[in-house]
Amino acid sequence: IAGITQAPTSQILAAGRRMTLRCTQDMRHNAMYWYRQDLGLGLRLIHYSNTAGTTGKGEVPDGYSVSRANTDDFPLTLASAVPSQTSVYFCASSGDNTGELFFGEGSRLTVL
Amino acid sequence: GQNIDQPTEMTATEGAIVQINCTYQTSGFNGLFWYQQHAGEAPTFLSYNVLDGLEEKGRFSSFLSRSKGYSYLLLKELQMKDSASYLCAVMDSNYQLIWGAGTKLIIKP
Repeated sequence: IAGITQAPTSQILAAGRRMTLRCTQDMRHNAMYWYRQDLGLGLRLIHYSNTAGTTGKGEVPDGYSVSRANTDDFPLTLASAVPSQTSVYFCASSGDNTGELFFGEGSRLTVL
Repeated sequence: GQNIDQPTEMTATEGAIVQINCTYQTSGFNGLFWYQQHAGEAPTFLSYNVLDGLEEKGRFSSFLSRSKGYSYLLLKELQMKDSASYLCAVMDSNYQLIWGAGTKLIIKP
């Protein structure tokens, strides 16, 4: 693993299903983030974690949950997917309170 | 509310210079960042400004005026590979990044 890895790369999901997007980094960064990116909108923060064991809500947290059991992993769960959650999801990490984020390649999620 | 404004799309010619502007209104300021994002790929960090003035990094330069809530990204000697979206982001008082919607730069031969 080099940098930050997301899985799956792409997924089509039926509405109402549960889905977990995986994110793993090997840079030992304390801070990790989940964003969604929609056409015409800026990146919107869903949840973040400043360090292992802590998480916080971003701008658009509803319908999503996260956990941070260790430094490397930061999964994002959609408990019951809805079509409005169709988006490209980016996981990112950074050193403490820096704005230089390292992004994963993204997960394209389609909810039908 | 917090707001980042940048043009939706710009077109420029290979070999030329282009300036992408960004204006912001945020609760607090802890730095302004520019990212590059090629279509279908992840954003990558380009530059960081926290003090007023110009930061130069090769063909790319970034300028900041905190009193005016204004920044620009200047790209010189444009190459076809510079065709991408350029994202402006401001770190607010809570150390969270607020993102603009991005400027799609189209380079023509």
